[in-house]
Amino acid sequence: TQLLEQSPQFLSIQEGENLTVYCNSSSVFSSLQWYRQEPGEGPVLLVTVVTGGEVKKLKRLTFQFGDARKDSSLHITAAQPGDTGLYLCAGGGSARQLTFGSGTQLTVLP
Amino acid sequence: NAGVMQNPRHLVRRRGQEARLRCSPMKGHSHVYWYRQLPEEGLKFMVYLQKENIIDESGMPKERFSAEFPKEGPSILRIQQVVRGDSAAYFCASSPPVATDTQYFGPGTRLTVL
Repeated sequence: TQLLEQSPQFLSIQEGENLTVYCNSSSVFSSLQWYRQEPGEGPVLLVTVVTGGEVKKLKRLTFQFGDARKDSSLHITAAQPGDTGLYLCAGGGSARQLTFGSGTQLTVLP
Repeated sequence: NAGVMQNPRHLVRRRGQEARLRCSPMKGHSHVYWYRQLPEEGLKFMVYLQKENIIDESGMPKERFSAEFPKEGPSILRIQQVVRGDSAAYFCASSPPVATDTQYFGPGTRLTVL
């Protein structure tokens, strides 16, 4: 069974600070997705990374896939209250089912 | 472009009743996935379907749960004789026919069993 561990589970920071969320596994994934989920809504796709060592940037968000494709990180620069939400990582495998991490609940205080 | 659509958004059932959850994938997508999010838990894979075929149902409970994706119409997740433990948010996702891990999620159906 593939498992993904996310850390931290909860993060509360002030507007303007930087933060990093981690997603780790002992298993190799063919890809890594990051989603953001608002209360009462479904996960919204932020990015997909597929190549070991790949880095993708989405405005103030930077996503990295580990060289061995077992881990990933999400870095947010100058966080804003609008970044508040539940961030989920999900690993893709040969069976096309996604394995989700437990999520990081981010709160950015104004 | 319409995204993945799910209905109803909220469903209340009494123990022993049946629940039917519907999912219409994004236009052009032929692969549908169902996930369940229990309170205070992460999303768990249930089943993967293509048109008229169940590809992988390894995450589906063996009893009372079934899924279909007919040639015409939405995908249906059916739960018979619901119990309180079935209360959860059920999410559908879809992906295009090309080989990809990327899945796009619907808004979910919140099932409450009284």
